Amino acid sequence: EDQVTQSPEALRLQEGESSSLNCSYTVSGLRGLFWYRQDPGKGPEFLFTLYSAGEEKEKERLKATLTKKESFLHITAPKPEDSATYLCAGPTTSGTYKYIFGTGTRLKVLA
Amino acid sequence: KAGVTQTPRYLIKTRGQQVTLSCSPISGHRSVSWYQQTPGQGLQFLFEYFSETQRNKGNFPGRFSGRQFSNSRSEMNVSTLELGDSALYLCASSLGQGGDIQYFGAGTRLSVL
Repeated sequence: EDQVTQSPEALRLQEGESSSLNCSYTVSGLRGLFWYRQDPGKGPEFLFTLYSAGEEKEKERLKATLTKKESFLHITAPKPEDSATYLCAGPTTSGTYKYIFGTGTRLKVLA
Repeated sequence: KAGVTQTPRYLIKTRGQQVTLSCSPISGHRSVSWYQQTPGQGLQFLFEYFSETQRNKGNFPGRFSGRQFSNSRSEMNVSTLELGDSALYLCASSLGQGGDIQYFGAGTRLSVL
């Protein structure tokens, strides 16, 4: 069964305290791994797409990496405005095409 | 460029009623997908429309239906509402289908009493 699992469920960091979020997936016919950020009361906002193992992408304090079985979202020296829920998703092409989303990591960065 | 617009933002209904939600995709986008988001289940895929045709459907009962119009705008309908249908319903649009980046609207918060 296609599945995307994120850990931890919740994470509290002090401002400046770097950490990583994990996304492991078992998705058949995976066509990329997507990261989104969701703020309360809003829809998810696209961050990154990774297509092949070893690929890395960066945006401000965020860096996403991909292996054959998991992806990491590294947050370097986070600020309070980085507080949000981070979602990863893998679209499948086997059988009925659809996106499989993880349940997310709720990140809280304290000043 | 305008983003994805969902209306209404909030809805309160009672059990047994039906509801219609609307989604206007980004101009030029032909694919619209719908998701249900709840605290326990996360984002669950409902269905995807591309060029007015339903391409894929998630594991939801037949009470959940949708359609897409020639201008790519989409509507989602839920009939005979149940308490468990209370959720945030999100619409996402993309240029094509099959792995394209999805852009989400702010969602419609449905409360069923």
